[in-house]
Amino acid sequence: EVQLVQSGAEVKKPGESLRISCKGFGYSFTSYWISWVRQMPGKGLEWMGRIDPSDSSTNYSPSFQGHVTISADKSISTAYLQWTSLKASDTAIYYCARHNRVRLCHDYWGQGTLVTVSS
Amino acid sequence: SYELTQPPSVSVSPGQTASITCSGDKLGDKYVSWYQQRPGQSPVLVIYQGNKRPSGIPDRFSGSNSGNTATLTLSGTQVMDEADYYCQAWDSSTAIFGGGTKLTAL
Repeated sequence: EVQLVQSGAEVKKPGESLRISCKGFGYSFTSYWISWVRQMPGKGLEWMGRIDPSDSSTNYSPSFQGHVTISADKSISTAYLQWTSLKASDTAIYYCARHNRVRLCHDYWGQGTLVTVSS
Repeated sequence: SYELTQPPSVSVSPGQTASITCSGDKLGDKYVSWYQQRPGQSPVLVIYQGNKRPSGIPDRFSGSNSGNTATLTLSGTQVMDEADYYCQAWDSSTAIFGGGTKLTAL
């Protein structure tokens, strides 16, 4: 069974750094890209960027380029989303999703990681 | 930048047909997927490549895509179909989501 399991909720202060994770189970991790999607409270889905775990190549949405870093460790089937200096406006649920390049869709999603940034 | 536009809300009576639209420039030339998100849950893929259903998705969900508009149709809408629905397409190497449509069955 394909599963994406994300790390737990985080509470951070503005200016702090953070890395959240997404571990894939039940499929060949290097055969599918992983996307990260933000959902701010009460708002819609926003695609942040994606990584190809086979070679760690990345694409970012212009809206998020330079604000976050997406990385992966294929040896442990895990993708990461990282901030160096959090802002209150980063408060959101972050989802990872498997991108199926044949079907051109996000066919499996993680359970989401709630990140709260507050002083 | 490319944009996808959805109506904020659609209402339907249970048992009737609901249609949710997604508009974008020459959207018919792109592959569109649709996601259902129930409150407090992760999104679930319900339609890909415009009109294909993943396994496990009921056949009351269907999709079409032509011109500038993609449409998600729910035939015989059930109360359990109440959720937010998002369309998504790719523009170059960037995934674009529509703003979402809240489907209410009442």
